[in-house]
Amino acid sequence: GEDVEQSLFLSVREGDSSVINCTYTDSSSTYLYWYKQEPGAGLQLLTYIFSNMDMKQDQRLTVLLNKKDKHLSLRIADTQTGDSAIYFCAERAGGYQKVTFGTGTKLQVIP
Amino acid sequence: DAGVTQSPTHLIKTRGQQVTLRCSPKSGHDTVSWYQQALGQGPQFIFQYYEEEERQRGNFPDRFSGHQFPNYSSELNVNALLLGDSALYLCASSDEDRNLREQYFGPGTRLTVT
Repeated sequence: GEDVEQSLFLSVREGDSSVINCTYTDSSSTYLYWYKQEPGAGLQLLTYIFSNMDMKQDQRLTVLLNKKDKHLSLRIADTQTGDSAIYFCAERAGGYQKVTFGTGTKLQVIP
Repeated sequence: DAGVTQSPTHLIKTRGQQVTLRCSPKSGHDTVSWYQQALGQGPQFIFQYYEEEERQRGNFPDRFSGHQFPNYSSELNVNALLLGDSALYLCASSDEDRNLREQYFGPGTRLTVT
């Protein structure tokens, strides 16, 4: 079955890079996603990567995928206080429509 | 271009009651998924609707049911509410023709069961 794990908390200083890590178990994953959730709000799709890719860059965001280790990471360059939120990693397994989410990583940005 | 909208924003119900939550998908999207997010947890998949049919279901009891209308909007119904049903209910929409790659979420309905 699908299982997605993330560390619970990350604290960085403003201007530094943040790296949020995630591991997943389903080797048939087709798409892997990063979502951002601010307090009291829904989920905002940040970026996603197809499982046959190793890396995807989108402005300050870089996603790295290691299929062998089933490890996904999100790097945020020049982290700002507005980046403080909970970040969810999620996977969609091949042939299935549902998306399985991790428990989220709370990113705290210190001014 | 309106994104995914949900109503109501907040709702308070008593144990044993029934509730209906509503969702309008993003313009151009034909597939709607519902998720339950308990406090401090990631969203859990409830079910997905496409062409007015339930296409896939997560590990939720039959008390959770849904419907999709011809205009692609959707409802989530929960019967015989339990205290444990208190959560943020999120609706997400996607486009079948784009292989459901991008799933966009609404702001959610906060349900409190007392």
